[in-house]
Amino acid sequence: AQKITQTQPGMFVQEKEAVTLDCTYDTSDPSYGLFWYKQPSSGEMIFLIYQGSYDQQNATEGRYSLNFQKARKSANLVISASQLGDSAMYFCAMREGYHTDKLIFGTGTRLQVFP
Amino acid sequence: AAGVIQSPRHLIKEKRETATLKCYPIPRHDTVYWYQQGPGQDPQFLISFYEKMQSDKGSIPDRFSAQQFSDYHSELNMSSLELGDSALYFCASSLGLVRRDSRGNEQFFGPGTRLTVL
Repeated sequence: AQKITQTQPGMFVQEKEAVTLDCTYDTSDPSYGLFWYKQPSSGEMIFLIYQGSYDQQNATEGRYSLNFQKARKSANLVISASQLGDSAMYFCAMREGYHTDKLIFGTGTRLQVFP
Repeated sequence: AAGVIQSPRHLIKEKRETATLKCYPIPRHDTVYWYQQGPGQDPQFLISFYEKMQSDKGSIPDRFSAQQFSDYHSELNMSSLELGDSALYFCASSLGLVRRDSRGNEQFFGPGTRLTVL
């Protein structure tokens, strides 16, 4: 089974609108961390936001917020007031448990922001 | 703010040659990670080091080896290169001592080294 599932291969949003990128995860470990990264066409991997499994509140970082629904095992990224520069590939990733360092990535969602 | 530095940024090699990729973590970060991202793929974890010791291992081929040095920089050595090794190789760094389930353990990625094997 996929550990991280991103069901939207591509999304379009108009500038200044909000957009939600979906991510569901699969783990039986009570301790895990969820990450979102942005990868522009230039290739670098930019950290956006982090949510720990024991965090009581949804994480927020500027225009980015994470809609964490633990019971549903979802960690959707919400980008408010989209900008043209937000056009990129977005990856959801999970670190599972205490004893591993590796991040498991989803297949990504390509977001296109249009004027 | 200082970021993760990777060198070289681009590398072209022939089949069966060797390559060495270098990574300099963010200052005070003691953990480094290596990932491989093939064309159109998501990144795949290769290996990680904490305080110069290997801390986790993923799908790293036996032809590859890596180490972390006393100044915390890391090198990924790749031998007998194959066409399928063509990829973007990322190094990431973090603070390893922070609780794994709390903030502060985020992995920050370098710009990547694009390796092309001909």
